[in-house]
Amino acid sequence: AQKVTQAQTEISVVEKEDVTLDCVYETRDTTYYLFWYKQPPSGELVFLIRRNSFDEQNEISGRYSWNFQKSTSSFNFTITASQVVDSAVYFCALWTYSGNTPLVFGKGTRLSVIA
Amino acid sequence: EAGVAQSPRYKIIEKRQSVAFWCNPISGHATLYWYQQILGQGPKLLIQFQNNGVVDDSQLPKDRFSAERLKGVDSTLKIQPAKLEDSAVYLCASSFGGGGNEQYFGPGTRLTVT
Repeated sequence: AQKVTQAQTEISVVEKEDVTLDCVYETRDTTYYLFWYKQPPSGELVFLIRRNSFDEQNEISGRYSWNFQKSTSSFNFTITASQVVDSAVYFCALWTYSGNTPLVFGKGTRLSVIA
Repeated sequence: EAGVAQSPRYKIIEKRQSVAFWCNPISGHATLYWYQQILGQGPKLLIQFQNNGVVDDSQLPKDRFSAERLKGVDSTLKIQPAKLEDSAVYLCASSFGGGGNEQYFGPGTRLTVT
């Protein structure tokens, strides 16, 4: 069965600090996609990134970076120099190729950035 | 490009009443999803449509929930009769294709059942 674990329920940082959100996934499938979504207080989930299981290259987009490690089944998300606008709930999600399974979300990590 | 539209944004009903939610996906997106998000949890898929056909409704409580996507564009999700445990945010999402394509979400409808 597919599973996503986000062990950090809530994180609070001071503005300009770096913060890493952890995501650990479980699947027996060799072909899968991992996602990160941001859910600000407005409620709409905003797509951040998709990564397929054959591409372990780390990705950087502005202040955001992602570290994918198949050896530890982790897909962690780092925000550098955090800002108040980064305050939101962040979800990691997994989709696997076989079995036409739905997108499985973790329980989310609530990030609060304090000015 | 317009995003996924949903209405209403908020709804309060009493248990045993019925309620309907509407969703208009991004133009050109063949796949439409309805999710239920309970407070403190990640979204859970209720039903997935590909055009106007159902791909996955395995987690839809069919005794009280129904959904349709006539003409392969707009969709409605109905609950009848509602229970207290149906209080949640109902999110609609769409994607260009199914599978591992990125999904784009609407703002959701927050339902409170009293």
